[in-house]
Order: sequence, then structure tokens, then C-alpha cells
Amino acid sequence: DIQMTQSPSSVSASVGDRVTITCRASQGISSWLAWYQQKPGKAPKLLIYAASSLQSGVPSRFSGSGSGTDFTLTISSLQPEDFATYYCQQANSFPRSFGGGTKVEIK
Amino acid sequence: EVQLVESGGVVVQPGGSLRLSCAASGFTFDDYAMHWVRQAPGKGLEWVSLISWDGGSTYYADSVKGRFTISRDNSKNSLYLQMNSLRAEDTALYYCAKDREVGSGYAYFDYWGQGTLVTVSS
Repeated sequence: DIQMTQSPSSVSASVGDRVTITCRASQGISSWLAWYQQKPGKAPKLLIYAASSLQSGVPSRFSGSGSGTDFTLTISSLQPEDFATYYCQQANSFPRSFGGGTKVEIK
Repeated sequence: EVQLVESGGVVVQPGGSLRLSCAASGFTFDDYAMHWVRQAPGKGLEWVSLISWDGGSTYYADSVKGRFTISRDNSKNSLYLQMNSLRAEDTALYYCAKDREVGSGYAYFDYWGQGTLVTVSS
């Protein structure tokens, strides 16, 4: 099974900051990676799929990059509504698996 | 508008059984694979199971294989999860999620329900 490791587990940032979250797969997954945002008490929301494709309706300040085993999610200018927990997910093989999550908090 | 509404979550004793349902609307249900994903209280996301658009293929997490069964009724636009031999570690909010791609994408989850809570406790 493929293990997904996210870092950091939490980050404190201010509105307007650039934030980068990393995700590492235990084996190569090509570009079969997604990023989700989850706010407290809400269902996750798909942000990025296929490592770098922006899901419809998602603001362009969100971007994804990487392939193989190392991936990043970047928020170019953090907005108040972006404070949430972010998860990566691999879709290369079964069972599908998620990273442990990165909580983006207000500094 | 895509809507997914889960139901069936309750408090159940260890070793018990439960069937979750997910009612789908706003899209052509039988065009898409569907997934169950769970989240234990205060924890991260765990993928549970997938069923293909026609029900012909199913996949499971190792943690539920042999105990859980995913199914669907395309005539009723409904997804199900039969859960047997429940354990305390199955306690979680269970989400149904729509696959992003028509047909056999099986990769990403673009719409989620609000979840139904399953508590396994004596």
C-alpha cells in the first residue's frame, strides 16, 4: 500500500502570505494526486487533481505541482477563507490513501 | 445542483451490523463510480470503498475487507454500505463521494455529502 506523508502538520500564517504544503508518496505515483480543503464541520472540497489541474470554481491562488513521489500545494496569497485543513490523496493504486493533513492556522 | 445525502448512522454495539445509504441527485448517477470515505472524530480522512458505475467492480480498504460490502441501485440513484462485525475503530463520520470522471476514472472525489455518524460502542 502507498503511504502519503504531509508536512508540516500545521502552519501559522497571516493573510497575504504565501503558503506551501508538501506531500510525499512512499512510492512513485506519477501525477495521480489530488488536494482537498476541509473546514471544521464541513465535507472536504476538491481543489487540485492530477497534481496540477485546478478544479472548476477554485480560485487561481491555489496551485499544485510535482510528480513521482514529491508534490506541493501552494496558496499564493492566503485569504481569510483559506484557513482550513488540507489533505493530499493518491489515486495511483488501490487502496486509495490520504495524507495526514496540514492545518493552516491564523498567525 | 449535485446533492449527496447520507443516512443510517446510529450507535451500534461491537459486533453489530448497519447499512448506510446515500441518495444522489443533480447528476446522471449511473455514469459515475461512487466512493465511501470515513473520518474518525478529530482524525484524518480514510478511503473505505469504491463501486464502479455499473456495480460490476468493487474495491475496499484492507481495514474493512471481508466485513463491509458496497452496493448501488441505479434505478433509485442510491449508494449503500453494508457494515458487519463492527468494531470500535469503525467509529467515524462516513461520507459518500462522487467520482470526478465519467466511467472508470476511479481517481478523485469531486462532490461529497455531509456525512452520517456511526458510533460503535457498548
